[in-house]
Amino acid sequence: AQSVTQLGSHVSVSEGALVLLRCNYSSSVPPYLFWYVQYPNQGLQLLLKYTSAATLVKGINGFEAEFKKSETSFHLTKPSAHMSDAAEYFCAVKGSTLGRLYFGRGTQLTVWP
Amino acid sequence: DAGVTQSPTHLIKTRGQQVTLRCSPISGHKSVSWYQQVLGQGPQFIFQYYEKEERGRGNFPDRFSARQFPNYSSELNVNALLLGDSALYLCASIPRTSGGPDTQYFGPGTRLTVL
Repeated sequence: AQSVTQLGSHVSVSEGALVLLRCNYSSSVPPYLFWYVQYPNQGLQLLLKYTSAATLVKGINGFEAEFKKSETSFHLTKPSAHMSDAAEYFCAVKGSTLGRLYFGRGTQLTVWP
Repeated sequence: DAGVTQSPTHLIKTRGQQVTLRCSPISGHKSVSWYQQVLGQGPQFIFQYYEKEERGRGNFPDRFSARQFPNYSSELNVNALLLGDSALYLCASIPRTSGGPDTQYFGPGTRLTVL
């Protein structure tokens, strides 16, 4: 079975500081992993996805994530936070059912001026 | 191109009632998945449909049902509503059904409140 665990339900950073959102996965098969962002009262927007082509994945808005098989991790980073990054972030792993994603509980990112 | 559309955006029902939520996928996409997102949690998979057939079901009671139409739009029905059904219901549009890492494109959701 597949699952993800997001460490830290809330993360606060100052504008310009490094953003690090943690995600660990469990998968019985080589995983496909995703990070989505959700702004208030909106649906989910894809930030990036890991498809085994490269361990360092670059996404939109300056975000990137590194797949580490030995640590079963797929942490999301951004070198310099912007006020507009404040949102909820979800890590997800693709399930064996073709159209199924398993999501973590989410991490709320707050960016202070 | 239009994205995923869902209707209505908000809905208020009372316990015991029935509700129907609608989703239109991105043009050319033949598969949709439905998710329930309870406040403070990540989305939970309910159903996937492809070519009008159910291809997957999550751990939800039989009060939840869905269907897909020839134009690939979909409806999610929930009967005998409970307070715990209050959530944001998300529809995801999927380009194809395959073993690959197809991106799921989410609609804005329908916010259901059960009183």
